[in-house]
Amino acid sequence: GEDVEQSLFLSVREGDSSVINCTYTDSSSTYLYWYKQEPGAGLQLLTYIFSNMDMKQDQRLTVLLNKKDKHLSLRIADTQTGDSAIYFCADNMRFGAGTRLTVKP
Amino acid sequence: GAGVSQSPSNKVTEKGKDVELRCDPISGHTALYWYRQSLGQGLEFLIYFQGNSAPDKSGLPSDRFSAERTGGSVSTLTIQRTQQEDSAVYLCASSIPGQGKYGYTFGSGTRLTVV
Repeated sequence: GEDVEQSLFLSVREGDSSVINCTYTDSSSTYLYWYKQEPGAGLQLLTYIFSNMDMKQDQRLTVLLNKKDKHLSLRIADTQTGDSAIYFCADNMRFGAGTRLTVKP
Repeated sequence: GAGVSQSPSNKVTEKGKDVELRCDPISGHTALYWYRQSLGQGLEFLIYFQGNSAPDKSGLPSDRFSAERTGGSVSTLTIQRTQQEDSAVYLCASSIPGQGKYGYTFGSGTRLTVV
């Protein structure tokens, strides 16, 4: 089957940048996504990137896509305590296991 | 509706009983998905509906699991003879095919506990 893989944990200090990495296998995906799940809440779409793009910037978020290596990353600049959540990478219908980001004051 | 609605929000059932979980997608969203999120695990894909048809049900863990969708709207996920390993949060999502940049809209989930 198709797999999406990402590291499970990331801890950063407030104000630092966070980088969450993901690898995927389905090269037919038109879009790739990042979802955010805050404690006790459902998943919400955070951002997406079209598959023919290399980079997308949206305020503090930067998404990088390397199609050759099937690698996707999410960079959060100036990470805040409110960014603490689980971040899921998704390609078509498949989701990664989620990266739990902890932001320390 | 305004969002994806799932019911019940919590369900405690005895091992061996059958349960039905309901999902009411956003009006006009023809695609509907079921996922399972176990403690400490990621999102496990279960089944995808386009209209009332299920082109991909490859994620259903066993023949105890089934799902249907009627009228291109409400979907029901049924788990027969529940086992303790079925305990998880079951999430439903919906989307409009062809509008991929909007991703999926998720419901709040049904937390199933099998005792």
